[in-house]
Amino acid sequence: AQSVTQPDIHITVSEGASLELRCNYSYGATPYLFWYVQSPGQGLQLLLKYFSGDTLVQGIKGFEAEFKRSQSSFNLRKPSVHWSDAAEYFCAVDRRGSGTYKYIFGTGTRLKVLA
Amino acid sequence: NAGVTQTPKFQVLKTGQSMTLQCAQDMNHEYMSWYRQDPGMGLRLIHYSVGAGITDQGEVPNGYNVSRSTTEDFPLRLLSAAPSQTSVYFCASTRRGSVDGYTFGSGTRLTVV
Repeated sequence: AQSVTQPDIHITVSEGASLELRCNYSYGATPYLFWYVQSPGQGLQLLLKYFSGDTLVQGIKGFEAEFKRSQSSFNLRKPSVHWSDAAEYFCAVDRRGSGTYKYIFGTGTRLKVLA
Repeated sequence: NAGVTQTPKFQVLKTGQSMTLQCAQDMNHEYMSWYRQDPGMGLRLIHYSVGAGITDQGEVPNGYNVSRSTTEDFPLRLLSAAPSQTSVYFCASTRRGSVDGYTFGSGTRLTVV
């Protein structure tokens, strides 16, 4: 079955520390992958995307992610976390390879940043 | 501002009541979707549409109806609200062929008592 797994429900880091949020997917075709961020009480904002080409993609707010086909992973990273990064982060797979634009979302990782 | 507009932002319903959550986009996007967000479950697809007059079910369609009479609007109807429908609802849209992902509305927080 197609699925997206975010194994970490909560992550706490200190401001200035590095961050890696994990995302693993199960999908037969070439995936289109996304990371979204959701601040409290807000909608989802696109951080970055991968659909082809360079497997290291850059996004907004200093985030990057690396697509590793062999590991079926698309982990999100940031070298130095800011207090404003505290939010919930969602990984998503676009199943357009199967002829639809239906996304599968992971269950999310809530990031807490310590001052 | 261009984007996806959802109304209302908050709603409290009594069990058995009906209501419509409104969603409108002004980007001429063909694809629109409704998701519900529940703690620990991420976002789950309720219904989606690939264009005016065309809709299909997602993962959790029971208790919800949709229609798409225009490109701009994609309302979600709850015919007889149940406490299990207490959730945050998001509408999203994207252009056919786009690689930019969905644009999301700011959500409707619904409580059914």
